Amino acid sequence: GAGVSQSPRYKVTKRGQDVTLRCDPISSHATLYWYQQALGQGPEFLTYFNYEAQPDKSGLPSDRFSAERPEGSISTLTIQRTEQRDSAMYRCASSLDSGGQETQYFGPGTRLLVL
Amino acid sequence: QKEVEQDPGPLSVPEGAIVSLNCTYSNSAFQYFMWYRQYSRKGPELLMYTYSSGNKEDGRFTAQVDKSSKYISLFIRDSQPSDSATYLCAMSPGGAGSYQLTFGKGTKLSVIP
Repeated sequence: GAGVSQSPRYKVTKRGQDVTLRCDPISSHATLYWYQQALGQGPEFLTYFNYEAQPDKSGLPSDRFSAERPEGSISTLTIQRTEQRDSAMYRCASSLDSGGQETQYFGPGTRLLVL
Repeated sequence: QKEVEQDPGPLSVPEGAIVSLNCTYSNSAFQYFMWYRQYSRKGPELLMYTYSSGNKEDGRFTAQVDKSSKYISLFIRDSQPSDSATYLCAMSPGGAGSYQLTFGKGTKLSVIP
């Protein structure tokens, strides 16, 4: 595709429910990132993948958060037992490789609201 | 104190003005410095990228990095209404951790025709 796509664009859920967010990166990109962006803040790193490997999970806020990229392309971010503090924009980005000089291309985000 | 500090604004300027946006940081390991532009309801897009210290110019945009002061700037000359957006600074360390971007809060800029 032309860019990074994410679905759904908006998700409203009740506290305690599980949600799964999807990211479809640029097709030639090896590296995929997940960020959380609270209102009025910059994106904060959650985790990343090189193909299907997940070398760094250090940004995931709790064990309720998990991410997968089983075939090295599409990725999902799952939040179990959602809490109101999980409400945020969740952004996916992808890049050709994981080096600091590589441009990260961001998707439009999924806005999650936990009631 | 956050690793990257950025005045959130909002900043409102008349068309044609010179705009100066700034970030300070505390982590001396940062080697890559970026400015992203984020239009409403869109994802951030890379505007400028600088490695280590120095200046970089691209059309009406100039990025400056002063590592000794831990201070980076983005200048926009002859600002246009289409420049109205939120500008986020971002940085990452060199070496194995270079993939991990740390962002500022973003500065919301409005250019008034």
